Amino acid sequence: ILNVEQSPQSLHVQEGDSTNFTCSFPSSNFYALHWYRWETAKSPEALFVMTLNGDEKKKGRISATLNTKEGYSYLYIKGSQPEDSATYLCAGFSGSARQLTFGSGTQLTVLP
Amino acid sequence: EAQVTQNPRYLITVTGKKLTVTCSQNMNHEYMSWYRQDPGLGLRQIYYSMNVEVTDKGDVPEGYKVSRKEKRNFPLILESPSPNQTSLYFCASSPTGAGEQYFGPGTRLTVT
Repeated sequence: ILNVEQSPQSLHVQEGDSTNFTCSFPSSNFYALHWYRWETAKSPEALFVMTLNGDEKKKGRISATLNTKEGYSYLYIKGSQPEDSATYLCAGFSGSARQLTFGSGTQLTVLP
Repeated sequence: EAQVTQNPRYLITVTGKKLTVTCSQNMNHEYMSWYRQDPGLGLRQIYYSMNVEVTDKGDVPEGYKVSRKEKRNFPLILESPSPNQTSLYFCASSPTGAGEQYFGPGTRLTVT
């Protein structure tokens, strides 16, 4: 079982600010790292799935990087908008356990 | 439309009364899983299934049962629900365990 930790737990930013969150996981036994966006009253939706050290993925104003050697991933949001307000979850997949373990999430609030 | 469906969406029941939450996916995914979400604890995996007739315990399996008789269906069974199983439950499916998870709409269960 991977121990996945996210920071910060919550974040308030002004519209237009850029922001980033951290996800850390044990570098041993790692297979894949997921990021999900979870809006209130909806289901989590996948943003990125990354497996290779140095992976960088981008979707619009949101991007993510992966460092498997040191066991962390960053999620960046450029020019935050109120509609970006959500909880952002990361999850690690362990190849040996075949389980996806989620962190507790970072709750982002973008103030207009 | 590709989707994961869960029923019921809301359920209030009493301690000890057996219940089943159904989950069905139409994407021919091999991997299916159940999660519960509790405040401050994030998503925790209850059970997962790599394929038909193959199921395994997640992080919090106590008090739950599952079955995978068909590829598309993965019901969650609570034989004798207790108040500590009051939670928000999500079913998810994926082409593989490491791949992007597609979540159902969630089932909010209250056990009194």
